[in-house]
Amino acid sequence: DVKVTQSSRYLVKRTGEKVFLECVQDMDHENMFWYRQDPGLGLRLIYFSYDVKMKEKGDIPEGYSVSREKKERFSLILESASTNQTSMYLCASRSRVLIGNTIYFGEGSWLTVV
Amino acid sequence: QKEVEQNSGPLSVPEGAIASLNCTYSDRGSQSFFWYRQYSGKSPELIMFIYSNGDKEDGRFTAQLNKASQYVSLLIRDSQPSDSATYLCAVNFRNQFYFGTGTSLTVIP
Repeated sequence: DVKVTQSSRYLVKRTGEKVFLECVQDMDHENMFWYRQDPGLGLRLIYFSYDVKMKEKGDIPEGYSVSREKKERFSLILESASTNQTSMYLCASRSRVLIGNTIYFGEGSWLTVV
Repeated sequence: QKEVEQNSGPLSVPEGAIASLNCTYSDRGSQSFFWYRQYSGKSPELIMFIYSNGDKEDGRFTAQLNKASQYVSLLIRDSQPSDSATYLCAVNFRNQFYFGTGTSLTVIP
């Protein structure tokens, strides 16, 4: 069974703190993604990675960075958290391109920045 | 910017009725199309995908694709209260997924 695990489910951080969100998948997927989801705005892509040590900016990369040192792990980093980064963050993974390959999501990380 | 449009709803249907959810997309090069269900506070889960024009059925769910008109729809037959959720349409374009903002569905017992 497909498994994408986000280790931190609920976090409260202070403005200016550095925040790490970790994601691990056990399906040997090449592609991994970080989205944030906000009411009325839907899912927005922050960063994605096609393979180890590769990363590409998504639609809203400002204020975020990522790291992919191992195939199964994709980390999202908020260098200096701000209140407008309060959101639900979703990690996802997908196998290499086949037309019907879907994205599998983790359970989400709810981040509140105060 | 790839556009995926959905009516945000809320859409309410009585139990046992057919719920019809629609999605339009802007890019004619889009290759495959996915429907996800998301319960409140949970992550999206795949219902089904479609990539050829026409209908695709899976149990109570039918996805319909019309590439010429650039729309994809999801029909839910015999709607149940447990179908109450937000339904996300996603479009795969060049290995990128683009999501609509979702349609909220409520099935009234």
